[in-house]
Amino acid sequence: DSGVTQTPKHLITATGQRVTLRCSPRSGDLSVYWYQQSLDQGLQFLIQYYNGEERAKGNILERFSAQQFPDLHSELNLSSLELGDSALYFCASSVARDSIIYNEQFFGPGTRLTVL
Amino acid sequence: AQSVTQLGSHVSVSEGALVLLRCNYSSSVPPYLFWYVQYPNQGLQLLLKYTSAATLVKGINGFEAEFKKSETSFHLTKPSAHMSDAAEYFCAVSVARSQGNLIFGKGTKLSVKP
Repeated sequence: DSGVTQTPKHLITATGQRVTLRCSPRSGDLSVYWYQQSLDQGLQFLIQYYNGEERAKGNILERFSAQQFPDLHSELNLSSLELGDSALYFCASSVARDSIIYNEQFFGPGTRLTVL
Repeated sequence: AQSVTQLGSHVSVSEGALVLLRCNYSSSVPPYLFWYVQYPNQGLQLLLKYTSAATLVKGINGFEAEFKKSETSFHLTKPSAHMSDAAEYFCAVSVARSQGNLIFGKGTKLSVKP
């Protein structure tokens, strides 16, 4: 158990819908990352937040957005869903000390999204 | 830009045999390198990391990896495979200690035959 929690574990929805995935980082970790894992694209970095602010952006679609709240949990919002958005979505967190974000990341169990 | 190439999407070994999973990286700056393992229906677990200290890095579950700058490689090894090692293994690179996002290879699925 990494200490990172994600809900829900599974999500099944229809095309065109909007969903929200939730992540709680390890206690004390200020930085949160979102990754998408699919068979064709592999593991792709989506976005990173640090202490409530967006820190880095990867291959995140405009239909997707994220935020990190004052209690440090994060949500990933996926809208206008398409079949190709079906994937495993991981959240990870890492330690930050003295404004340095250490890049050893601890991953949650993931949310499996199925778009029908 | 940084990238990671894992040679072999599937590797099969017999129980007790040497495990060798290959990873080559491309980076314009000294890299930070990681190996993660993913068991079926689970998240990724960190096996080991290279952060510019010792070139031979020991990780959990008897795995180790050697950083070879001249070969731009970071291959993962284990002297004797166990059935419980069957999983998918991912090599990842990060550009700097303070820039956290990881760039992953495509993964190598390890099968262990009895």
